[in-house]
Amino acid sequence: NAGVMQNPRHLVRRRGQEARLRCSPVKGHSHVYWYRQLPEEGLKFMVYLQKENIIDESGMPKERFSAEFPKEGPSILRIQQVVRGDSAAYFCASSPVGHYDGAGNTIYFGEGSWLTVV
Amino acid sequence: GQQVMQIPQYQHVQEGEDFTTYCNSSTTLSNIQWYKQRPGGHPVFLIQLVKSGEVKKQKRLTFQFGEAKKNSSLHITATQTTDVGTYFCAGRKSGGGADGLTFGKGTHLIIQP
Repeated sequence: NAGVMQNPRHLVRRRGQEARLRCSPVKGHSHVYWYRQLPEEGLKFMVYLQKENIIDESGMPKERFSAEFPKEGPSILRIQQVVRGDSAAYFCASSPVGHYDGAGNTIYFGEGSWLTVV
Repeated sequence: GQQVMQIPQYQHVQEGEDFTTYCNSSTTLSNIQWYKQRPGGHPVFLIQLVKSGEVKKQKRLTFQFGEAKKNSSLHITATQTTDVGTYFCAGRKSGGGADGLTFGKGTHLIIQP
């Protein structure tokens, strides 16, 4: 754990409810990424944010999912009207600079939030 | 879109045997990263390869990046029980652009003592 804090660690929601997952990046990191992992699967990129801006949301479902990274406070991944298929581990990661500098940068993952929809 | 394939999906070895996982991308990569995830845990960064043909070593782990920058491998010599986990490769396609890392599905390493 390189300092990315996620909460809650485990969340149970009934179908149709809303899920809010929070992520505080490593101190000093202004770039945040959200990934989803299904059981026995790899991680799928969802969204990349900088403070107050969504840089890339190409992996985010068009409906029910939204993400923000406000000037103050943690990044939030919000899932409205959850369905059983949303059950997964959601990982947040952060980096000090963006992904896209050619040489690449290490990103540090949080411990994940496990969402179960019943 | 970019795809990253990893094989094998599962690998059972006896403690002390070697282990190799292979990663292939459908597109040329600018760099590739490897992560390890323990059961119930989160991905932990192991290494990044950037140059064509690059080879890096970390104790018993050897990482290679192919000449064409489309494939990579991770080899563990003389596995130990602490090596148990899932090893993911993650690539970023060449040419930049606003894409996040594309992860392979991982290779689950199971070690029998």
